[in-house]
Amino acid sequence: DTGVTQSPTHLIKTRGQQVTLRCSPISGHKSVSWYQQVLGQGPQFIFQYYEKEERGRGNFPDRFSARQFPNYSSELNVNALLLGDSALYLCASSRVSAGGFGYTFGSGTRLTVV
Amino acid sequence: KNEVEQSPQNLTAQEGEFITINCSYSVGISALHWLQQHPGGGIVSLFMLSSGKKKHGRLIATINIQEKHSSLHITASHPRDSAVYICAFRVIQGAQKLVFGQGTRLTINP
Repeated sequence: DTGVTQSPTHLIKTRGQQVTLRCSPISGHKSVSWYQQVLGQGPQFIFQYYEKEERGRGNFPDRFSARQFPNYSSELNVNALLLGDSALYLCASSRVSAGGFGYTFGSGTRLTVV
Repeated sequence: KNEVEQSPQNLTAQEGEFITINCSYSVGISALHWLQQHPGGGIVSLFMLSSGKKKHGRLIATINIQEKHSSLHITASHPRDSAVYICAFRVIQGAQKLVFGQGTRLTINP
């Protein structure tokens, strides 16, 4: 059973560009969450999706959007990139939306905006 | 005030020492997680706790729900334990998200 897969692993973009990050959850996991981790800080919640529906949204601008596909994989899109969007973007999957189940994290996508 | 506070922020110890990392939170939670993050970014889940104590190898995690406090202990520390340790909790109500502490950077010297 493979773990949570994120792609790409590293990415360099220019200010103003748009980026799409991808996440494939563990087989059987229906919930995917996205987190942003700026250097030296703990991850911050961006979105949670369960059964293709948005179940939670963090305090991020509308430039951030996401979706979940029928196979439970997910994409995170960021438009009009700013230097401050440079961070490690983490995806976590779990079996259910709520309850006493743990999370499995991917290795992250390191985004650098120049 | 942050909803979750970890201490210390940085910890350097010698191989073999007993390590304690603390986590305090201020809201009602449904579960608390201890996570390990190595350079490069990947996060590994160590424990998920809602009460009491859990042990896995040299790692022990405890939680006191009444006092809103959790600790992670490492016995017989080893240089390979060097990493950032993060506590995170899932709130009882609202969006199903993890709220993370800032992390404790642990360095174990041989």
